[in-house]
Amino acid sequence: NAGVMQNPRHLVRRRGQEARLRCSPMKGHSHVYWYRQLPEEGLKFMVYLQKENIIDESGMPKERFSAEFPKEGPSILRIQQVVRGDSAAYFCASSGRDMSPEQYFGPGTRLTVT
Amino acid sequence: AQRVTQPEKLLSVFKGAPVELKCNYSYSGSPELFWYVQYSRQRLQLLLRHISRESIKGFTADLNKGETSFHLKKPFAQEEDSAMYYCALTRDDKIIFGKGTRLHILP
Repeated sequence: NAGVMQNPRHLVRRRGQEARLRCSPMKGHSHVYWYRQLPEEGLKFMVYLQKENIIDESGMPKERFSAEFPKEGPSILRIQQVVRGDSAAYFCASSGRDMSPEQYFGPGTRLTVT
Repeated sequence: AQRVTQPEKLLSVFKGAPVELKCNYSYSGSPELFWYVQYSRQRLQLLLRHISRESIKGFTADLNKGETSFHLKKPFAQEEDSAMYYCALTRDDKIIFGKGTRLHILP
């Protein structure tokens, strides 16, 4: 079991471009969580998804950010029209059941906006 | 508001000395608390949870509701304990993390 996979590991975008971050959960897991870690900050919850459903997106910025977890394929976190303040590490985690604190984390994607 | 506070950004401890990583929380209900660890170049992983009352890699943590604390302790530090440690609590369907403490074990 390869664990939670995220790609790309590093992503550089110019201001105004779109960033797409992918997350493949552990085999058998159907719950995906996205977190953001800004420089000098802890991880902050963004969104919780199950297959084809957004369960809780209370941590997502209201504009430019969206997430999906389709029936087939990885979960995608999309950031449109990126700004410098979006530069951060984005972590994905998965679990085998809902509201589980035993979330398994991916290695993260480091987004740099130039 | 629910919050997890780790007052120390960096903690340096000599090998063999005791370790205590501080964590305080604010939560209106009955919290479930955890410690996560991230070793260099590895993924964040769950270290221990308060309800299991277990010792992992020599670390223990006791929930003190009176002081709203969940400090992580180890009696004798080892070099391989150097890592980033995050205290966290669960609320509804999400985990709220502290900012983390970097533990540096000195030889």
